[in-house]
Amino acid sequence: NAGVTQTPKFRVLKTGQSMTLLCAQDMNHEYMYWYRQDPGMGLRLIHYSVGEGTTAKGEVPDGYNVSRLKKQNFLLGLESAAPSQTSVYFCASNGPATSYNSPLHFGNGTRLTVT
Amino acid sequence: AQSVSQHNHHVILSEAASLELGCNYSYGGTVNLFWYVQYPGQHLQLLLKYFSGDPLVKGIKGFEAEFIKSKFSFNLRKPSVQWSDTAEYFCAVTYYGNNRLAFGKGNQVVVIP
Repeated sequence: NAGVTQTPKFRVLKTGQSMTLLCAQDMNHEYMYWYRQDPGMGLRLIHYSVGEGTTAKGEVPDGYNVSRLKKQNFLLGLESAAPSQTSVYFCASNGPATSYNSPLHFGNGTRLTVT
Repeated sequence: AQSVSQHNHHVILSEAASLELGCNYSYGGTVNLFWYVQYPGQHLQLLLKYFSGDPLVKGIKGFEAEFIKSKFSFNLRKPSVQWSDTAEYFCAVTYYGNNRLAFGKGNQVVVIP
């Protein structure tokens, strides 16, 4: 049981480049989330999804796009990377849909540096 | 919007000392409260959670937390810390009917052997 898997683990981009971060979960969870973690800022929610085919904005959505074409996958895209997007990105999931209080399961994170 | 406040961002203490980390949340009705721990280089893991019932909850590794509704608080405690407790600790809250967690900014705890 792999849980939540994120790829890649590390990435360095130049300003203006694009990339996609992949998150996959094998727990049949309805809800999936993308967070970014920055020193002294805690975790901030970028986008989230309450089910296949649905996405919604979180606290800091600007500069990011997401897609949930399959229930098990949640993709985070950066169309034109900026240095301010240098961060550690965590994907998380929980469920089932009726359980609003189920704990989050986190991936191991992606460390992104934008130069 | 729901918010979570954590105090004393950096905590340094010696082994066997007691630890208490404060967490306060903004009022918004029925809440679910969590403490997550992030060991160096790892992802967040659930330490303990409160949904209802006994306001004193016990988690893994000897940690406990007390929910005080009148103070909107959910403080984390451990009577005697170990070097292996060096980590960052995050308090988080969800409100009834809302599955999204709001995280505090975290407490960086360093335990000196």
